[in-house]
Amino acid sequence: GAGVSQTPSNKVTEKGKYVELRCDPISGHTALYWYRQSLGQGPEFLIYFQGTGAADDSGLPNDRFFAVRPEGSVSTLKIQRTERGDSAVYLCASSFWSGKQFFGPGTRLTVL
Amino acid sequence: AQKVTQAQTEISVVEKEDVTLDCVYETRDTTYYLFWYKQPPSGELVFLIRRNSFDEQNEISGRYSWNFQKSTSSFNFTITASQVVDSAVYFCALITPYSGTYKYIFGTGTRLKVLA
Repeated sequence: GAGVSQTPSNKVTEKGKYVELRCDPISGHTALYWYRQSLGQGPEFLIYFQGTGAADDSGLPNDRFFAVRPEGSVSTLKIQRTERGDSAVYLCASSFWSGKQFFGPGTRLTVL
Repeated sequence: AQKVTQAQTEISVVEKEDVTLDCVYETRDTTYYLFWYKQPPSGELVFLIRRNSFDEQNEISGRYSWNFQKSTSSFNFTITASQVVDSAVYFCALITPYSGTYKYIFGTGTRLKVLA
């Protein structure tokens, strides 16, 4: 597709479960970002990939959160032992470098 | 530490009015980039503008204009002759890539409601 896609669009899970959120960036974009957005707030940075490596993971809130981008394209955000406080919209964005970002539609995660 | 403040939580205007959205930033770095993004009700953030710290020229794009003032650490956004389609949440953001972090700092956003 022409834009950034994210799957699933909605995910409902139970507390303690494991979830994976997927991001397909725009083809050729080397930079990929994950954000978390809570209601009424701006996007909160989680992690930045340049190619396959995580160039900055300082925004990951704790070790339950992990992200990979094994081939420098698709990325997966993984959350272990989910908590109710993890409920939010998770956004992915890609760009050629740390410049103009193209955002996906987000995955709305609800932890019951 | 870097910070972006958007003090206006919500603004309502009547169509055709001009409106200015404020953005104040904090950083100790001399090289940085500022951005504005629009988040319409559909939810997907849309890039509006990027400005680097060395370019203080104001910019105009159609009904949109941006006023960057380093002296007051502000990067304000004005919509002239607002339209209902401008209704959205607008975010200002900052990045300081030469400080060793690629972390974007977003403000909390300003919700703009344009009434017909």
